[in-house]
Amino acid sequence: EAQVTQNPRYLITVTGKKLTVTCSQNMNHEYMSWYRQDPGLGLRQIYYSMNVEVTDKGDVPEGYKVSRKEKRNFPLILESPSPNQTSLYFCASSLFRESETQYFGPGTRLLVL
Amino acid sequence: KQEVTQIPAALSVPEGENLVLNCSFTDSAIYNLQWFRQDPGKGLTSLLLIQSSQREQTSGRLNASLDKSSGRSTLYIAASQPGDSATYLCAVRASGGYNKLIFGAGTRLAVHP
Repeated sequence: EAQVTQNPRYLITVTGKKLTVTCSQNMNHEYMSWYRQDPGLGLRQIYYSMNVEVTDKGDVPEGYKVSRKEKRNFPLILESPSPNQTSLYFCASSLFRESETQYFGPGTRLLVL
Repeated sequence: KQEVTQIPAALSVPEGENLVLNCSFTDSAIYNLQWFRQDPGKGLTSLLLIQSSQREQTSGRLNASLDKSSGRSTLYIAASQPGDSATYLCAVRASGGYNKLIFGAGTRLAVHP
């Protein structure tokens, strides 16, 4: 089954404790990205990657890091989480064509205390 | 800067009604527009994708239209059912945005029996 998976689905952590949210897709998509969703603000792009070893900042990259060492994986790293990073995070992937739809993972709900 | 607005923010209707969800965007230079459905605790599911050269797309009881010049899209849901209850998100892919989607805040729909 074609899908985007994220782990963990739910996470409670404390300020400053490094964490990684994994994202994996099995559709051989070149393009992957991370969004965060906050009430009243919609989804905003954090980082994106056009292919292996090619990443760039989205609209709200502060406090996040990413890497793209393999085509299927695109982990999101919070090196020193803060309470303002409490949010719902989505990973998405697509073929790198204008006409292609994006496929979203199930989301990771993060609470930083 | 592209901004996407969805009206209304919430909608409650009785089963069987035909309804219209509205989406507006400020910059007409877009590649495409997508409508997504988001269920609680789940990811986003793409409903309809309209390319910039198209005027509308249909899938079952759903019909989405696009008027690029006026910066508007509507999602029409015919004969609504309780199973249609979800949050509906509109997103545009801006020209030169490397697959970045810019989302509206969504319309939360409740269809009651």
